[in-house]
Amino acid sequence: GQNIDQPTEMTATEGAIVQINCTYQTSGFNGLFWYQQHAGEAPTFLSYNVLDGLEEKGRFSSFLSRSKGYSYLLLKELQMKDSASYLCAPRRGKLQFGAGTQVVVTP
Amino acid sequence: NAGVTQTPKFRILKIGQSMTLQCAQDMNHNYMYWYRQDPGMGLKLIYYSVGAGITDKGEVPNGYNVSRSTTEDFPLRLELAAPSQTSVYFCASSRDTGVGTDTQYFGPGTRLTVL
Repeated sequence: GQNIDQPTEMTATEGAIVQINCTYQTSGFNGLFWYQQHAGEAPTFLSYNVLDGLEEKGRFSSFLSRSKGYSYLLLKELQMKDSASYLCAPRRGKLQFGAGTQVVVTP
Repeated sequence: NAGVTQTPKFRILKIGQSMTLQCAQDMNHNYMYWYRQDPGMGLKLIYYSVGAGITDKGEVPNGYNVSRSTTEDFPLRLELAAPSQTSVYFCASSRDTGVGTDTQYFGPGTRLTVL
C-alpha cells in the first residue's frame, strides 16, 4: 500500500541467500524499517536505515538508497525459521507498511 | 517486562455490536498506535497517541474511537461493528519519534470477526 512495492512471495532453499527489494515514494522520506512477521504473530523489528548504505546485523543486512527510493533486505544462510513475511516500512511522518514479502524456505 | 499486551486474543461480534480492544504497555513509551491488518495487506494505521490525553487519526479511523487517559493504556473502541471491520488488530508503542527511539514494538494482536 501507499506506493510501497515489494514482491509478494519468494522461495529459497536452506543455506541460500535471498534479497527482498522494496521501492517507495521519496517525498518526505525519513528512514526505513524492516520487520519480520511469522504467520499468526506480531511484527518484530529487524533493521532500520536512515542514511544511504548497508547495515549489517548477523545474517540479515539492509541497504538503503534514498535518491532512488530503494531498499533491500538480504537474508543469508537461510534457516527454516526464516520462513515468514518481511515488511518494508518507510517513514514519511508516520510509518507506512508494505504488504509484505512471504519468504518460503524449503529443505 | 511484558512489553505490549492486548486482550482479547480472539473475538466474534455480530453486526451492530460494540466492543473495546484493550492495549497496555509497561515500557513507559510515549507513543502508542493502533493498526489493522487485512489478509495479504500491509498494516494500516487507525489512530495514534503521542502521550496521555492526546490522540490523532491515522489513515483509516472511521468506525473507531480511542482514548489515552494514562501512559500505559490505549484502548480502541468499535461502535456498531460492521463486516468490513473483520481484521487482525495490532497495538504498538514506541519511546519517541526521534532517530533511534522510534522503533515500534507490537502486541500479539486481536483477531476480530464480525458476522
